[in-house]
Amino acid sequence: AQSVTQLGSHVSVSEGALVLLRCNYSSSVPPYLFWYVQYPNQGLQLLLKYTSAATLVKGINGFEAEFKKSETSFHLTKPSAHMSDAAEYFCAVSEESGGGADGLTFGKGTHLIIQP
Amino acid sequence: EADIYQTPRYLVIGTGKKITLECSQTMGHDKMYWYQQDPGMELHLIHYSYGVNSTEKGDLSSESTVSRIRTEHFPLTLESARPSHTSQYLCANLLVRGFFGPGTRLTVL
Repeated sequence: AQSVTQLGSHVSVSEGALVLLRCNYSSSVPPYLFWYVQYPNQGLQLLLKYTSAATLVKGINGFEAEFKKSETSFHLTKPSAHMSDAAEYFCAVSEESGGGADGLTFGKGTHLIIQP
Repeated sequence: EADIYQTPRYLVIGTGKKITLECSQTMGHDKMYWYQQDPGMELHLIHYSYGVNSTEKGDLSSESTVSRIRTEHFPLTLESARPSHTSQYLCANLLVRGFFGPGTRLTVL
């Protein structure tokens, strides 16, 4: 079975500050890991994914995440927050690249607030 | 670029009505998924399909049903809508590519 824990349901940072959204996972096999962003009243947009290649994954909008097997973590970062980054962020894990029998298992989400 | 289409985007309907949420994809791939997301909550898998005539229930129990008669279409049906079905329903395909449809926001009065 797989699971995802996102620490902090709400994270508030100042514009221009570092963004750090935490994600820890559990998986019985080498995982595939994803970060999604959801803007109000919209669907999910893939930010980045880890599929056992480079441990540092670069995504869209200046986001990146680092896979750390020893810590079972896949934290999302962005060096400088922008007002447009305010949204809900979801971490997800899959035990198969195509989603597999269980599809993706999502964390509860982190609401990112950007202070002007 | 290939895409996933969901209709309607928004639906407000009375209790007891039968509804079908449409999902279609242009990629011709086999694996498709339906997720349910209550407001401010995480997503839960409710149905998936590995191809034509293949449908399975996901982690979250749902009163909805799905069908997969054609590769391109994966509709979700509620025979008798209730207020507890009020939620957002998201269709997805080949998750490694991150393809989610825009979702259908369903409100049952």
